[in-house]
Amino acid sequence: AQSVTQPDIHITVSEGASLELRCNYSYGATPYLFWYVQSPGQGLQLLLKYFSGDTLVQGIKGFEAEFKRSQSSFNLRKPSVHWSDAAEYFCAVGGGYQKVTFGTGTKLQVIP
Amino acid sequence: DAGVIQSPRHEVTEMGQEVTLRCKPISGHDYLFWYRQTMMRGLELLIYFNNNVPIDDSGMPEDRFSAKMPNASFSTLKIQPSEPRDSAVYFCASNPGGYQETQYFGPGTRLLVL
Repeated sequence: AQSVTQPDIHITVSEGASLELRCNYSYGATPYLFWYVQSPGQGLQLLLKYFSGDTLVQGIKGFEAEFKRSQSSFNLRKPSVHWSDAAEYFCAVGGGYQKVTFGTGTKLQVIP
Repeated sequence: DAGVIQSPRHEVTEMGQEVTLRCKPISGHDYLFWYRQTMMRGLELLIYFNNNVPIDDSGMPEDRFSAKMPNASFSTLKIQPSEPRDSAVYFCASNPGGYQETQYFGPGTRLLVL
């Protein structure tokens, strides 16, 4: 069965600092990997996704993620965080069968 | 496109009452998903449909929950009778199918059962 682990429940960073959110997955074959963002009171919005090819994926809002097969990881990064990035971030894994498994989320707090 | 539409946005009801949540997926999307989000359990997949047919309802918590998709543009999630532990945010999402797998979420329905 596929699964996703986001080890950090809550992260606080200063505005302008770099950010890395961790995601580890379990899947028997080549996974489809996603990062979604949820702002308060909103639904989830796709930031980026990886299906194949270049392991460094660029997304919206200046985010990127790197797929590392050897580590079963798909960490999300941003070089300089803005106050508007404060939200909850979800990693997800799928396998081409439409059913996607989401992690438990990481809440990001940005301090001035 | 208007995106996925859910109604109502907020629902407050008393224990034992029937609750019906509604969803209109993005036109042309073949897949529709119902999720429940709580602090304790995170985001859980309840059921999903492909071309209006339920494919996997293993996440539906119990018989009090039922979901239907009578046509490609409408789905309902019903709870009867409702209980306080059903209080959560319920999301509907749709997906165009194929290998995209990107899910497009609605704004959610915040349900409070007293």
